[in-house]
Amino acid sequence: KQEVTQIPAALSVPEGENLVLNCSFTDSAIYNLQWFRQDPGKGLTSLLLIQSSQREQTSGRLNASLDKSSGRSTLYIAASQPGDSATYLCAPFLSGGYQKVTFGTGTKLQVIP
Amino acid sequence: ETGVTQTPRHLVMGMTNKKSLKCEQHLGHNAMYWYKQSAKKPLELMFVYSLEERVENNSVPSRFSPECPNSSHLFLHLHTLQPEDSALYLCASSQDGISPLHFGNGTRLTVT
Repeated sequence: KQEVTQIPAALSVPEGENLVLNCSFTDSAIYNLQWFRQDPGKGLTSLLLIQSSQREQTSGRLNASLDKSSGRSTLYIAASQPGDSATYLCAPFLSGGYQKVTFGTGTKLQVIP
Repeated sequence: ETGVTQTPRHLVMGMTNKKSLKCEQHLGHNAMYWYKQSAKKPLELMFVYSLEERVENNSVPSRFSPECPNSSHLFLHLHTLQPEDSALYLCASSQDGISPLHFGNGTRLTVT
C-alpha cells in the first residue's frame, strides 16, 4: 500500500524567502505526481502535474521535481508571498486504475508579511 | 460556469435526517470521485465512477449512497449518519485514471 509523507507538517517563513516542501512515497512505480494547494475550508487547487518521465515541471514561481527511484518529490516556491499561505498536498498516481492515487497529509505554510 | 461545482457549501443535519450532496463538472471528463477529508487525516477515496459506472467503492458504510445519472453529475445521498461522519466532502473529476484531478470547493458536513 502506497504511503505518502510530507515534511515539514507546518512551516512559517517571512515574506520573500525561497522555500522547499518535501514529499516522499513508498511505492516508486508511479505514473505521475500532482501537487495541490488547499485554502482553509476550500477544495484542492491543482498546481503542477509532473509525469514519471519528467524530472521537473515549472509554473511561475513554482518548480516541482521528481526522483522516482528514491521516492521523492519537492515543491520549490520562489520569493514567497502572503498569498502563498495555504496547505500544500502531494499525490502520487500509481498506474492501474482510478483508485490508485494516495494523498499526503500536507504541509501547512504561513508566509508572514 | 467552468470547473467542478458542489452544492451545498455547508450542511448541518441530524442523525435521522436524509440529505443529498450534489456535484457537477463542466470539463467534459469521464470520471468523477467522492473524497472525504477529516481533520488531520489524508483524503480518503469513497467512490469512483467512470462513464457513469461505479468502478471503486472503498468499503464505505451503506449510510452513504452514491448516484451518477450521467457523466457530468454525481450525488451522494446521506441517511442516518453518525457524528464521526462530520467532515469536508470533496468531489473531483478527471479525464481518466491517470489524468490530473480537478476538485470542487467541497461541502462542509456537520452531523449533530
